[in-house]
Amino acid sequence: NAGVTQTPKFQVLKTGQSMTLQCAQDMNHEYMSWYRQDPGMGLRLIHYSVGAGITDQGEVPNGYNVSRSTTEDFPLRLLSAAPSQTSVYFCASRPGTAKTYEQYFGPGTRLTVT
Amino acid sequence: GQNIDQPTEMTATEGAIVQINCTYQTSGFNGLFWYQQHAGEAPTFLSYNVLDGLEEKGRFSSFLSRSKGYSYLLLKELQMKDSASYLCAVHPNYGQNFVFGPGTRLSVLP
Repeated sequence: NAGVTQTPKFQVLKTGQSMTLQCAQDMNHEYMSWYRQDPGMGLRLIHYSVGAGITDQGEVPNGYNVSRSTTEDFPLRLLSAAPSQTSVYFCASRPGTAKTYEQYFGPGTRLTVT
Repeated sequence: GQNIDQPTEMTATEGAIVQINCTYQTSGFNGLFWYQQHAGEAPTFLSYNVLDGLEEKGRFSSFLSRSKGYSYLLLKELQMKDSASYLCAVHPNYGQNFVFGPGTRLSVLP
């Protein structure tokens, strides 16, 4: 299994540009999430999904959109990039069963907005 | 509201024992997690506590007191490769909204 994969690894955007961060998992996990990580602030939840066709907002959703058309894929769209969105973005997944709440994280996308 | 506190940085010597504390105030509680994150890498799962007490896993142990809103991660026989950030996270309820603390950066010195 590849686990959770994210592309691209690095990205530089100009203010106002849009882009999509890709996330995929091959573990048949129901739950998927997007986090951003900024120095001194820990991981903050942007959006999450509890299954295909179902998404919801996390702590910091403004400026981001998500969709979940398949179990495997959970892309994150930046609508109009701003310098405040400079961050490291992590995608995570976990099974939907209550047997474990362990999350599996992707390698991250380092985004800089100039 | 949700609030999780951890020390920002800690330093310890190779072979020693270190305890990283975490205090939390959340609207509910469905478990506390510890993750390890090496610089430039993704977090990886270390431990999960849902009941009070100590959970031991090799050189790492995690303790929880729900009444005090307190947990600690104990690392024994420290190795250089243990230099990393350690993230405390709480799962407040059955939804997906995990709340993470700011992380503790541990430096292990020879």
